[in-house]
Amino acid sequence: EIVLTQSPDFQSVTPKEKVTITCRASQNIGNSLHWYQQKPGQSPKLLIKYVFQTFSGVPSRFSGSGSGTDFTLTINSLEAEDAATYYCHQSGRLPVTFGQGTKVEIK
Amino acid sequence: QVQLVESGGGVVQPGGSLRLSCAASGFTFTNYAMHWVRQAPGKGLQWVAFISYEGSNKYYADSVKGRFSISRDSSESTVYLEMTSLRVEDTAVYYCARNAPGQIHYLDWWGQGALVTVSS
Repeated sequence: EIVLTQSPDFQSVTPKEKVTITCRASQNIGNSLHWYQQKPGQSPKLLIKYVFQTFSGVPSRFSGSGSGTDFTLTINSLEAEDAATYYCHQSGRLPVTFGQGTKVEIK
Repeated sequence: QVQLVESGGGVVQPGGSLRLSCAASGFTFTNYAMHWVRQAPGKGLQWVAFISYEGSNKYYADSVKGRFSISRDSSESTVYLEMTSLRVEDTAVYYCARNAPGQIHYLDWWGQGALVTVSS
């Protein structure tokens, strides 16, 4: 099973600040890495597909990068509505797996 | 507008059974594979099961293999998760999610979830 390890687990950030979340895979997954946002009491929503492709309707302040085993989600100029938990997800090999999540809190 | 609506959650005793349903609308159901993903209270996301668009391929997480069964009914545009021999650790919100077109990909739409509580 491919293990995805996110860091940090928690981040407290001031509005307009830049946020960087990393996701490290235990094996090479090529570009089969996706990111989701989950706000309290809501279901997850797709943000980024295949490392860097922003999903429809997602603000341009969200971006992704990386390849192989190391990936990054960046939120430029954080807004209050971005308070959420973010998960990476790999679809390259069964079983599909998720990272443990990174909670982003607004200061 | 894509919609996925789960139902069938509830409280069940350890060893019991439950069937979850996920009614799909707003897209051509027969063109898409589907997943079930669960989230224990206060925890992260855990993939549970996958069914291909035509229903011939099914895959399961090791933790549920032999106890859970995924199926789909194209005439009803519904995907099911039959859960048997339930354990306390199966307590979670269960989400159905749509797989992007093609092979196993990203999950582009999620339902609102159904809570399953396994407790005596």
